[in-house]
Amino acid sequence: KNQVEQSPQSLIILEGKNCTLQCNYTVSPFSNLRWYKQDTGRGPVSLTIMTFSENTKSNGRYTATLDADTKQSSLHITASQLSDSASYICVVRGGGYNKLIFGAGTRLAVHP
Amino acid sequence: DGGITQSPKYLFRKEGQNVTLSCEQNLNHDAMYWYRQDPGQGLRLIYYSQIVNDFQKGDIAEGYSVSREKKESFPLTVTSAQKNPTAFYLCASSLSAGGKEDYTFGSGTRLTVV
Repeated sequence: KNQVEQSPQSLIILEGKNCTLQCNYTVSPFSNLRWYKQDTGRGPVSLTIMTFSENTKSNGRYTATLDADTKQSSLHITASQLSDSASYICVVRGGGYNKLIFGAGTRLAVHP
Repeated sequence: DGGITQSPKYLFRKEGQNVTLSCEQNLNHDAMYWYRQDPGQGLRLIYYSQIVNDFQKGDIAEGYSVSREKKESFPLTVTSAQKNPTAFYLCASSLSAGGKEDYTFGSGTRLTVV
């Protein structure tokens, strides 16, 4: 079954600290992997899109990694800010119909 | 500014009533999508349209209907046949339906059954 699992479900960190969010997937065939940021009550906003051949991609303080062999991805946030408080959603495009398969997200709270 | 506009932001539906959620984009995107978001779950695809006057059912189309008469507009009707409609509904668009195209999402409509 094509699935995307994210961990942890929720995370609390102090402002200025770093954190890493995990994503494991069982989607096959694989097309690409995306990370989105979703503020409460808003739509998701794209952070990165990575294909099979891309191991790392950065967007400011956000760095995503992809290991296509182990089917794992991570999103690393450096020097967190209060505005980083949001849900982070891992999405894999693939499967028989090449559609987007969404993880349930990790809810991050950054405290002062 | 280009983007996707969803309206209304909040919508209340009475039992047995049909309601329509609006989605308009000015990005000149061919493909548009409707997703449903429930707490603790990933987004689930309701309907999608790759081009004007064409649309396809997603994973959870029962109780919903759509139309795509204009490139810019993709309204979603939640019918009385949808037994559990309370959810956050997101509309999205992309330049085309395939590959590495990025998706742009609207701000969502929160539908509540009263």
